[in-house]
Amino acid sequence: KAGVTQTPRYLIKTRGQQVTLSCSPISGHRSVSWYQQTPGQGLQFLFEYFSETQRNKGNFPGRFSGRQFSNSRSEMNVSTLELGDSALYLCASSFGAGDTDTQYFGPGTRLTVL
Amino acid sequence: AQSVTQPDIHITVSEGASLELRCNYSYGATPYLFWYVQSPGQGLQLLLKYFSGDTLVQGIKGFEAEFKRSQSSFNLRKPSVHWSDAAEYFCAVGEGSGGGADGLTFGKGTHLIIQP
Repeated sequence: KAGVTQTPRYLIKTRGQQVTLSCSPISGHRSVSWYQQTPGQGLQFLFEYFSETQRNKGNFPGRFSGRQFSNSRSEMNVSTLELGDSALYLCASSFGAGDTDTQYFGPGTRLTVL
Repeated sequence: AQSVTQPDIHITVSEGASLELRCNYSYGATPYLFWYVQSPGQGLQLLLKYFSGDTLVQGIKGFEAEFKRSQSSFNLRKPSVHWSDAAEYFCAVGEGSGGGADGLTFGKGTHLIIQP
């Protein structure tokens, strides 16, 4: 079974732009969670989607948003990029909701904001 | 709020030697505990997890971890490390098997260096 895939793997943007990252979960998984990883803050939970509904959201500004499609694929969007948004963005999928089932992580998207 | 502390930022171990990575957590209820490993350029791979029952948990790649409620610890061990074990190791806690309402809470990680 194929693992979690994320596209693109690398991205370079400039301040003020917006960006969309994509995540395809493991086949059959219905939950997708997003995490931001930075050297300073470590791994931080962004949000979780289950059956196309956002269940939970971490402590991030409204510039960070996401959605999930009927095939469970998910996208996250960051608007008005700031230098501090440079990070590795990890997506994780699970069969059940994020609080009931083990999460499996993708390789991440490395976002650099110049 | 739940939190995870990994006291060691870097650890250097000789190949073939034993390994113990420390993890302390703060959580009000019975925690769900995890160890993940991240190799350069890779995502996180689950090594093992603890929900309940036997406090000694076996994982993949020869790793094990012991849950000690009295010490709020969940240390990761391996009897003999291999050069391929060099990576970043993360301990995490959650409300549920998948992390809970606020997702997984991660420690800052321990960077493991293997000396030949």
